[in-house]
Amino acid sequence: QQQVKQSPQSLIVQKGGISIINCAYENTAFDYFPWYQQFPGKGPALLIAIRPDVSEKKEGRFTISFNKSAKQFSLHIMDSQPGDSATYFCAPSKAAGNKLTFGGGTRVLVKP
Amino acid sequence: DAGVTQSPTHLIKTRGQQVTLRCSPKSGHDTVSWYQQALGQGPQFIFQYYEEEERQRGNFPDRFSGHQFPNYSSELNVNALLLGDSALYLCASSAGLGIYNEQFFGPGTRLTVL
Repeated sequence: QQQVKQSPQSLIVQKGGISIINCAYENTAFDYFPWYQQFPGKGPALLIAIRPDVSEKKEGRFTISFNKSAKQFSLHIMDSQPGDSATYFCAPSKAAGNKLTFGGGTRVLVKP
Repeated sequence: DAGVTQSPTHLIKTRGQQVTLRCSPKSGHDTVSWYQQALGQGPQFIFQYYEEEERQRGNFPDRFSGHQFPNYSSELNVNALLLGDSALYLCASSAGLGIYNEQFFGPGTRLTVL
């Protein structure tokens, strides 16, 4: 059973463009919805996270949009930069300190 | 302030052998979780340790076992290695299990089973 589905698998965007990654989940007990960024040879690092009491959260160029009824949340990267080239994972959980259920990942390439 | 550290960085073993991976949590953290990340896939939760006890376990066989020490560091042991155990093993630490206790990941140990 695949609890978390992430799309697209890969994405190429021009510098300055917008990257959009989607995550669909099945477990209604999830209460914490983070996005992690991973560079080659490194562990994942928390980028931004949202809790279900809000529908949108923005931190700099990164925005999470959350749709509880559709059981989906998305990551928007505005003004994409070459340094944003990485793999992005959604990893919903019952709590930040609890077991994270990772999606399959989206490899983003930002072309200069 | 040191983050999460893991050792060794890389490891090569043969089928049937046993391996021990080590993790030191971020300063102030008392909870350690282990994840397995196969090439090109998302990390999969193995288990979590808090107060020296296994609190949660993912869908991994008993060949995978762990331990947490009084200083909160942790070990992951894998017995009877299979080729499919080749992966990046990630350790994450947090200051507890709660809703606000963000997990911080180490750089991982790359295990290759031949």
